[in-house]
Amino acid sequence: GENVEQHPSTLSVQEGDSAVIKCTYSDSASNYFPWYKQELGKRPQLIIDIRSNVGEKKDQRIAVTLNKTAKHFSLHITETQPEDSAVYFCAATPSGSARQLTFGSGTQLTVLP
Amino acid sequence: DSGVTQTPKHLITATGQRVTLRCSPRSGDLSVYWYQQSLDQGLQFLIQYYNGEERAKGNILERFSAQQFPDLHSELNLSSLELGDSALYFCASATRGRDGNTEAFFGQGTRLTVV
Repeated sequence: GENVEQHPSTLSVQEGDSAVIKCTYSDSASNYFPWYKQELGKRPQLIIDIRSNVGEKKDQRIAVTLNKTAKHFSLHITETQPEDSAVYFCAATPSGSARQLTFGSGTQLTVLP
Repeated sequence: DSGVTQTPKHLITATGQRVTLRCSPRSGDLSVYWYQQSLDQGLQFLIQYYNGEERAKGNILERFSAQQFPDLHSELNLSSLELGDSALYFCASATRGRDGNTEAFFGQGTRLTVV
């Protein structure tokens, strides 16, 4: 089955700086890679996703990049703000059916004011 | 509101007991996932059901079981509870979107405390 590894487990950045979270996956059949944000005490929520036929996707201050050859994908947050502080999870799955999403172990991002 | 409903929100029980967690997926979603999130841990996949049938199993203990009913709601049964079972249990439902991707919508979770 799929195995997703996520690094770092914790990340602290100064407000206004950029943050990068990296994930690797094992199953070459995976072609859909969502990112979820979980604020303290709340449910994980989808913030951005990317498919394997795309190398990069941006949505305002967040972007995801995908290197299918190397089987890794990354989340980039620019101009970080205190409200970006949360746990971020990457995930991977073969699309085309409602199959199991395999999540990374999560990254606790803290944005320091 | 994600449209996924989990009950109860909080549950406190003693070691050795048995509890049932309930999840109602979003309308039209056929797939239900159960995840366990312990303190400072990520989302550990337990089990997935799709249209009433078990589709995938993760790190689910033998003391735990689940099922999905004809109306698509799901129950996670945890028995012979141990202190280490204290965690936040999330249910998520998912469906294939128009673009073919799978988006999971999470419920608010059930916080289980075993004392």
